[in-house]
Amino acid sequence: DAGVIQSPRHEVTEMGQEVTLRCKPISGHNSLFWYRQTMMRGLELLIYFNNNVPIDDSGMPEDRFSAKMPNASFSTLKIQPSEPRDSAVYFCASRSGTGEAEAFFGQGTRLTVV
Amino acid sequence: AQSVTQLGSHVSVSEGALVLLRCNYSSSVPPYLFWYVQYPNQGLQLLLKYTSAATLVKGINGFEAEFKKSETSFHLTKPSAHMSDAAEYFCAVRNYGGSQGNLIFGKGTKLSVKP
Repeated sequence: DAGVIQSPRHEVTEMGQEVTLRCKPISGHNSLFWYRQTMMRGLELLIYFNNNVPIDDSGMPEDRFSAKMPNASFSTLKIQPSEPRDSAVYFCASRSGTGEAEAFFGQGTRLTVV
Repeated sequence: AQSVTQLGSHVSVSEGALVLLRCNYSSSVPPYLFWYVQYPNQGLQLLLKYTSAATLVKGINGFEAEFKKSETSFHLTKPSAHMSDAAEYFCAVRNYGGSQGNLIFGKGTKLSVKP
């Protein structure tokens, strides 16, 4: 398997624009996570899907952020409108099975909002 | 609620020296614990995990960690540092709260290795 695939790897956008980040989890994994990494706050969970259903979105900063998982092989994280404070590295991770299983991370998308 | 604390945001060692990265956890139930490594501009990669099978866990690249319940610790060690070990290391605990299955990460420890 190619692992968790995220696109794009880098995104530079202007404030106010819509940004869509994409993730393809590892085939057969039933849990998917979106994390955000910043120097100030470290790794923060944004949203967690299990079997394509959002289980916990309490980490989503505000209504400007939305995430979908229309099927088991694809998820998107959308920011509309984007703001400079959204600049961060966004990671997608997937996992199979029970709690002792590890999560596998994608390479991340580095988002810069100018 | 579960949490992890990593002591020291930055650790510097000489090549060949012992590496010790500290992690303490808080959990009301027997925890599942993980160490991940992140190289520059990369995602996180699993080093090792503790799932109650054995208290001393061996991982990749010569790293190991010991689960000590009495000390609520899961410190990461490597007997002899290599230049390629320079990276950021994250300790994580599985969340048993509302977002079950999620991993809760520490703030990370950046390891520098001097020649």
